[in-house]
Amino acid sequence: KAGVTQTPRYLIKTRGQQVTLSCSPISGHRSVSWYQQTPGQGLQFLFEYFSETQRNKGNFPGRFSGRQFSNSRSEMNVSTLELGDSALYLCASRLTGTGGHPEQYFGPGTRLTVT
Amino acid sequence: AQKITQTQPGMFVQEKEAVTLDCTYDTSDPSYGLFWYKQPSSGEMIFLIYQGSYDQQNATEGRYSLNFQKARKSANLVISASQLGDSAMYFCAMREGAGYSTLTFGKGTMLLVSP
Repeated sequence: KAGVTQTPRYLIKTRGQQVTLSCSPISGHRSVSWYQQTPGQGLQFLFEYFSETQRNKGNFPGRFSGRQFSNSRSEMNVSTLELGDSALYLCASRLTGTGGHPEQYFGPGTRLTVT
Repeated sequence: AQKITQTQPGMFVQEKEAVTLDCTYDTSDPSYGLFWYKQPSSGEMIFLIYQGSYDQQNATEGRYSLNFQKARKSANLVISASQLGDSAMYFCAMREGAGYSTLTFGKGTMLLVSP
């Protein structure tokens, strides 16, 4: 079974631009979460989606947004990029959003560099 | 207050020896789950082991075991018979409640395995 895939793997953008990152969960997984990893702040939760609904949101500005499609694929968008948005963006999928099947599996990440 | 504390920024171990990575957590929710992930230099987060707050026995997965001491709020990872490929960053994470998939991560411990 294929793992979580994220595209693109690497991205270089300029300040002020916007970017869209994509995540395809493991087949059958309906819960998708996004995390930002930076050397200074570590791993921070961005959003969680389950069945196309945002279930939880981390403490990030409104420039960060996301969505989930009916096939469980998810995208996150960052508008008006800032230098501080340079990070590894990780996506994780889980079989269900509640109760059993606690394991969450991560994709390889998208490394975003903002210049 | 930190929800997940990993007090060891770095650990060194010789090949074939066992090593314990420390993790303490803080939550008032009776239902929670504890995770350990490995992150090699490639960046991908690899799921290692999970322990639920109501699990009676310590979790084990191959060479990985979780020393769960609920009263002390600790969830230490034990790696037996270390291998060179175990050199990586290790993160402890917690999910609170049963309704969400949100993980809170510690700052990580860098493990270096020497021949």
